[in-house]
Amino acid sequence: GDSVTQTEGQVALSEEDFLTIHCNYSASGYPALFWYVQYPGEGPQFLFRASRDKEKGSSRGFEATYDKGTTSFHLRKASVQESDSAVYYCALGNMGYKLTFGTGTSLLVDP
Amino acid sequence: EAAVTQSPRNKVTVTGGNVTLSCRQTNSHNYMYWYRQDTGHGLRLIHYSYGAGNLQIGDVPDGYKATRTTQEDFFLLLELASPSQTSLYFCASRGGQYAEQFFGPGTRLTVL
Repeated sequence: GDSVTQTEGQVALSEEDFLTIHCNYSASGYPALFWYVQYPGEGPQFLFRASRDKEKGSSRGFEATYDKGTTSFHLRKASVQESDSAVYYCALGNMGYKLTFGTGTSLLVDP
Repeated sequence: EAAVTQSPRNKVTVTGGNVTLSCRQTNSHNYMYWYRQDTGHGLRLIHYSYGAGNLQIGDVPDGYKATRTTQEDFFLLLELASPSQTSLYFCASRGGQYAEQFFGPGTRLTVL
């Protein structure tokens, strides 16, 4: 079945650091890929999506590029802020209306 | 703005108890979902529905029933609650196949 792997469970950075959160997927066909963000005490929120190879999704300074060759959709931000502290989920949607989520990466940014 | 609400926000019950979690969406979306969120597991799909009267089995359905009474309302039922069902439960709705999901604020359930 489909699966999403996020290798970092937790990431700790200082403000203005560069962020990379890794996301790799396994799926048949051509899935759509998503990033969601969850702030403390809230439900996850959609960040952005990409639907085809080499497409870049972006929002709020975050970006990720769909790479079918490496089956990856890594999240990046050039300069993080304390307000970016949250849990980030990578997800895929494939041939239907289910989303498969990764286990999430908790980002903590020190001021 | 899309809206998904859940009730109750917190619930404590005992082993063997009967619990109903409620979800309402005002997005006019066809698809609705129930997830549980646990440390180390992320979001796992319990059940979902594409319309009133419809129910689809998710990835972790054991011990849960669900019912979609209207386009707006989706309920999750735990008829014999167990401590392993202590979790944070999220409801979500979605308009199209590759559209974003809108999540509710969550219900924290504790089974003693």
